[in-house]
Amino acid sequence: GQNIDQPTEMTATEGAIVQINCTYQTSGFNGLFWYQQHAGEAPTFLSYNVLDGLEEKGRFSSFLSRSKGYSYLLLKELQMKDSASYLCAVRVLGAGNTGKLIFGQGTTLQVKP
Amino acid sequence: GAVVSQHPSWVICKSGTSVKIECRSLDFQATTMFWYRQFPKQSLMLMATSNEGSKATYEQGVEKDKFLINHASLTLSTLTVTSAHPEDSSFYICSARSRSSYEQYFGPGTRLTVT
Repeated sequence: GQNIDQPTEMTATEGAIVQINCTYQTSGFNGLFWYQQHAGEAPTFLSYNVLDGLEEKGRFSSFLSRSKGYSYLLLKELQMKDSASYLCAVRVLGAGNTGKLIFGQGTTLQVKP
Repeated sequence: GAVVSQHPSWVICKSGTSVKIECRSLDFQATTMFWYRQFPKQSLMLMATSNEGSKATYEQGVEKDKFLINHASLTLSTLTVTSAHPEDSSFYICSARSRSSYEQYFGPGTRLTVT
């Protein structure tokens, strides 16, 4: 089966750093994505990791360890607008070798002043 | 950047009727489109994957006769919820990917309410 785990909720302070963890056990692995989703809106792409290591993009960084089935999203210099759900998704190969995303349950981050 | 649109953005229908939701890739050719459903405070659940010109592949537990998916062109896929019931009320989101990209681009979603 496919299993992706993230904490349900996190709270952090404006200006601080927060790390959102994601562990996965999937049949096959073809990359890991992080998305941000505000309530009632579609997810927006944040990062993609397919090789081990850290990918940095501005205030956001994402890390992957394939051997451990583990990733994290690091958000620096938190802003109030960063309050949202953060979705970890693993790409696996489906029928006809078509890649498809399996999503974790999402982590709701609340940034407080 | 790549843009995906959905229509309608919200719809209310009566129990027993059918509803069609359109998903369009506006500035790229979407060889693969995905349909997701999201219940309140839950994550996205993949319903089906469709490749242009082929029948959709449905995830386990998704009724293909109830959720009809058509991907007739490289820019349009439709999801028809047939004989809708209140438990079908949800947020339906499509995404699209081109042949050369690993990234999926999401539409803005359609909120369906069945009364």
